[in-house]
Amino acid sequence: DTGVSQDPRHKITKRGQNVTFRCDPISEHNRLYWYRQTLGQGPEFLTYFQNEAQLEKSRLLSDRFSAERPKGSFSTLEIQRTEQGDSAMYLCASSGRRGAYEQYFGPGTRLTVT
Amino acid sequence: EDKVVQSPLSLVVHEGDTVTLNCSYEVTNFRSLLWYKQEKKAPTFLFMLTSSGIEKKSGRLSSILDKKELSSILNITATQTGDSAIYLCAVVLNSGYALNFGKGTSLLVTP
Repeated sequence: DTGVSQDPRHKITKRGQNVTFRCDPISEHNRLYWYRQTLGQGPEFLTYFQNEAQLEKSRLLSDRFSAERPKGSFSTLEIQRTEQGDSAMYLCASSGRRGAYEQYFGPGTRLTVT
Repeated sequence: EDKVVQSPLSLVVHEGDTVTLNCSYEVTNFRSLLWYKQEKKAPTFLFMLTSSGIEKKSGRLSSILDKKELSSILNITATQTGDSAIYLCAVVLNSGYALNFGKGTSLLVTP
């Protein structure tokens, strides 16, 4: 088991551009979560999926953000018309049917918007 | 609104010292409290505490949940420089499975 993986690890983009991140969860995990973390803060919840269904979205998830998990496996998080305030570490986590609350995190994608 | 507060925000100790990190929470319907360690990368899972399991121990690390006081502590004995990290506390949000994290305690262990 290779754990949760994320791609890319780093992304630099200009304000106004769209970006898309990918997360591959631990293979047998049915829940997948996206968080955002800025310097000096703990991770902040954005959204989560159970299988392919998006069950919860935080109010932090503005309409410029969209997430998908089309086949209940990998997930993508897209940010449209990026703003400098979107600069952060985007973390993906997954959890399984056993130990449903134990979330295991990927290495994150660091986004810098210039 | 669910809230998690950690203290202290930062701590510097000498190798070999014992440290206690604190986490207090306000949550409408408590399910679980989790501790994570974060070095210069993603958080790694340490412990999960629930109503039925209020104390956990792994090597030099241990954690206790006090449901009456709505708090938890993380103890690290005989600290090593490799323990230097940010320690995050989180509670499961009332709405489901997502986690609400505190700001973390930044621990620096000096040789």
